[in-house]
Amino acid sequence: DQQVKQNSPSLSVQEGRISILNCDYTNSMFDYFLWYKKYPAEGPTFLISISSIKDKNEDGRFTVFLNKSAKHLSLHIVPSQPGDSAVYFCAASLLLQGAQKLVFGQGTRLTINP
Amino acid sequence: NAGVMQNPRHLVRRRGQEARLRCSPMKGHSHVYWYRQLPEEGLKFMVYLQKENIIDESGMPKERFSAEFPKEGPSILRIQQVVRGDSAAYFCASSPQQGRDTEAFFGQGTRLTVV
Repeated sequence: DQQVKQNSPSLSVQEGRISILNCDYTNSMFDYFLWYKKYPAEGPTFLISISSIKDKNEDGRFTVFLNKSAKHLSLHIVPSQPGDSAVYFCAASLLLQGAQKLVFGQGTRLTINP
Repeated sequence: NAGVMQNPRHLVRRRGQEARLRCSPMKGHSHVYWYRQLPEEGLKFMVYLQKENIIDESGMPKERFSAEFPKEGPSILRIQQVVRGDSAAYFCASSPQQGRDTEAFFGQGTRLTVV
């Protein structure tokens, strides 16, 4: 029962272009969504998040869009840089006894080509 | 400001041995989460703990796995009688007391290899 899905295991983008990573979820109880970036042999690092009461959040080159009716969110990176090459995980959050429980997607491996 | 510390980074165990994975949360964080990442898969939630309490262990296998977060010291994920299928990267994360709208911070993980 995969509640959070990232259907593209990999994505290759030219440096300077826009990278768009997609994520779908099934549980309407999720109220907070996050994107994490992961390099090999390291732990995930937080990138950007969005509350379910918003439809867009922007932080520098990174923008997350949320479409609640479609249960879909996306991460836009523009312009893409070689250092953005990593695995990106989408996560959805449930509030449980005062703290958030994260449900992760399978990840998308992004490769930025020079 | 030390981040989430996990040790060891790499752990090799023979089938049937015990594995102990340690996690020290960030200073001031009282919530700890353990996740497992199998090869080519995403992170799967295992257990959520607060000091001296297991809040949600719905992702933990029913046998051989246990977790604790004592009043003093790190959180421990313990795997008894390891099997090859336990080989994975185990990540710990911590968050502050009030978790809503704050991201969880992850450690670098422990890569367990069962031979």
